[in-house]
Amino acid sequence: AQSVTQLDSHVSVSEGTPVLLRCNYSSSYSPSLFWYVQHPNKGLQLLLKYTSAATLVKGINGFEAEFKKSETSFHLTKPSAHMSDAAEYFCVVRDGYQKVTFGTGTKLQVIP
Amino acid sequence: GAGVSQSPRYKVAKRGQDVALRCDPISGHVSLFWYQQALGQGPEFLTYFQNEAQLDKSGLPSDRFFAERPEGSVSTLKIQRTQQEDSAVYLCASSPQDTEAFFGQGTRLTVV
Repeated sequence: AQSVTQLDSHVSVSEGTPVLLRCNYSSSYSPSLFWYVQHPNKGLQLLLKYTSAATLVKGINGFEAEFKKSETSFHLTKPSAHMSDAAEYFCVVRDGYQKVTFGTGTKLQVIP
Repeated sequence: GAGVSQSPRYKVAKRGQDVALRCDPISGHVSLFWYQQALGQGPEFLTYFQNEAQLDKSGLPSDRFFAERPEGSVSTLKIQRTQQEDSAVYLCASSPQDTEAFFGQGTRLTVV
């Protein structure tokens, strides 16, 4: 069985400071891991994905995430937050052909 | 089309009415998923198809919910005798094999 835990339901940062959104996963196999972003009243957009290649994955809009098998983590980071980053972020896991499982989401607030 | 298409985008139903929500996946995508996203919540898994086979329907909340994908392409989610608690955005996603899922814009269902 697979599952995802997003450790913070809300994160607040000042514009220009680093962003860290935490995600831990549980999986029976070698999973694929993803981060999606959802802006208010918008669809889900893929930020980045890990599929057993390089453990440090770079995505769109300056985001990146590092897959750490020993810690079963896939935290999302960005060096400098922008106002447009305010949104909800979902960590997602998939074992092979299994269903796609979402975490509960982290709402990111960026303070000017 | 280039992406996952869902119709209608918005649906208002009177309580007790039956509704049918349509999903046109990206051509050639093997996997198709349905999710329910209540206001302010993350997407909750409903059901999953691989081609025409419904491999997992563990997330369907009651026997009023039914999904089909008879020819392994277009899928329909049907909700019978709608209730107010069925009000949500219904998201469809498709994916090629075991990679990331591509989401449609969703159908916002409001039961009055």
